[in-house]
Amino acid sequence: KAGVTQTPRYLIKTRGQQVTLSCSPISGHRSVSWYQQTPGQGLQFLFEYFSETQRNKGNFPGRFSGRQFSNSRSEMNVSTLELGDSALYLCASSRKTGDADTQYFGPGTRLTVL
Amino acid sequence: EDQVTQSPEALRLQEGESSSLNCSYTVSGLRGLFWYRQDPGKGPEFLFTLYSAGEEKEKERLKATLTKKESFLHITAPKPEDSATYLCAVTPNYGGSQGNLIFGKGTKLSVKP
Repeated sequence: KAGVTQTPRYLIKTRGQQVTLSCSPISGHRSVSWYQQTPGQGLQFLFEYFSETQRNKGNFPGRFSGRQFSNSRSEMNVSTLELGDSALYLCASSRKTGDADTQYFGPGTRLTVL
Repeated sequence: EDQVTQSPEALRLQEGESSSLNCSYTVSGLRGLFWYRQDPGKGPEFLFTLYSAGEEKEKERLKATLTKKESFLHITAPKPEDSATYLCAVTPNYGGSQGNLIFGKGTKLSVKP
């Protein structure tokens, strides 16, 4: 059974640009969550999507957005990039929402903002 | 405020030297507590889910336990390949979506041969 896949694995952008990251969940999983990981703050929740609807959102500015497609694949977008957005962006999928279902993580996308 | 605190931040063990990692949590109702292992440059790898106080789970050299305020990850006779950062996370008992995992900062474990 294939795991969570994320593309691209590495990205280098400059301040002010925007970026789109992609996540394909485990087959049969309908919930996708996104997290930002930095050395200083650790892993922080960005948002969760289930059945193409955003179900929950973390404490991040509106520059961070996402969406989910009918096949459960998800994208997240960061506009007007700042140096502090450099981080490992992780996607996790689970079978369902509304329960403490286990989340399985992808390998992440390493974003560097210059 | 919901919070997860892990200790110690770093732990160095000799191969075969057993020890425990601690995860204490303050959350408004606990739906689940999760342990993950993360190797450098990779995504977290799922280890255990615990749902209620008194619950225990084991996998090879690892054993996770849960009380009402904390969880322990016991490592018995560790090997160098157990070296990694171990992350603890909780899902609070909010109404609606449970997609929000609150993570601790992790314990970086090094096992020397």
